[in-house]
Amino acid sequence: AQKITQTQPGMFVQEKEAVTLDCTYDTSDQSYGLFWYKQPSSGEMIFLIYQGSYDEQNATEGRYSLNFQKARKSANLVISASQLGDSAMYFCAMRISGGSNYKLTFGKGTLLTVNP
Amino acid sequence: GAGVSQTPSNKVTEKGKYVELRCDPISGHTALYWYRQSLGQGPEFLIYFQGTGAADDSGLPNDRFFAVRPEGSVSTLKIQRTERGDSAVYLCASSDTRMVRADRNEQFFGPGTRLTVL
Repeated sequence: AQKITQTQPGMFVQEKEAVTLDCTYDTSDQSYGLFWYKQPSSGEMIFLIYQGSYDEQNATEGRYSLNFQKARKSANLVISASQLGDSAMYFCAMRISGGSNYKLTFGKGTLLTVNP
Repeated sequence: GAGVSQTPSNKVTEKGKYVELRCDPISGHTALYWYRQSLGQGPEFLIYFQGTGAADDSGLPNDRFFAVRPEGSVSTLKIQRTERGDSAVYLCASSDTRMVRADRNEQFFGPGTRLTVL
C-alpha cells in the first residue's frame, strides 16, 4: 500500500519569499508518479506539478518546483516569490504507474498562509 | 472548455435517508473518480471508472455506497441509509487516460458536494 506523509499542518511565509512544503512517501513500487494539488478555500483541487519516479530532472512549473529526492522518498514542493493568492491547503499525492489504475493517494495536507 | 461540475453543491439530509450526488466530467475524459474528503483530511479514494465500468471500487466504505456511470460520461454516487459519519465533501475528478504521457494522467477536480447528515 502507498502512504503519503505531510508533517507540517500549517506554514507561514512572508509575501515574496520562498517556502518549502514537505512530503514523504512510502511505496514498494519502482514506477510511480507524485503530484501536488492546491485547494483554496473555495474547495476546488487545482493541479500544480507532477514528478515521475524515472524523471531525471526535478519538475518545474512557473513559480513551483519539486525537490525530488528518490533515495529519501521525499518530494517537497518549493514555491518561489510567494503571493497572497498562494494562501491555501496544499496536498501531496501519489499514484502507481504501469498499471491501468490511476487512483491517487493523498496526504493530509499543509495549510499555507502568506502574510503581507 | 467546461470543467468538471458537481450537483448539488450542498446537500443536507437526515440520518437514514437516501442521497444521490452527480458528477459531469470534462467532455471526452475516459476516466472518472470519486473521492471523499473529511474535515481536516486529504481526499480519500472511493471508486474509479474507466468508461462505463467500475475499474476499482475498493475505496467504497460499505455496501451502502454505490456509483454508476451508465453511458461513460455522467456519474452518480448513491448513498443509502445515510449516517452522520457520511458527512463530508464528495469530490469528483476526471482524466483522459489516452494521453501520451499516461503516467502523468492529470486529474481535474470538480468543486465538490458538501454532504451533511443530521
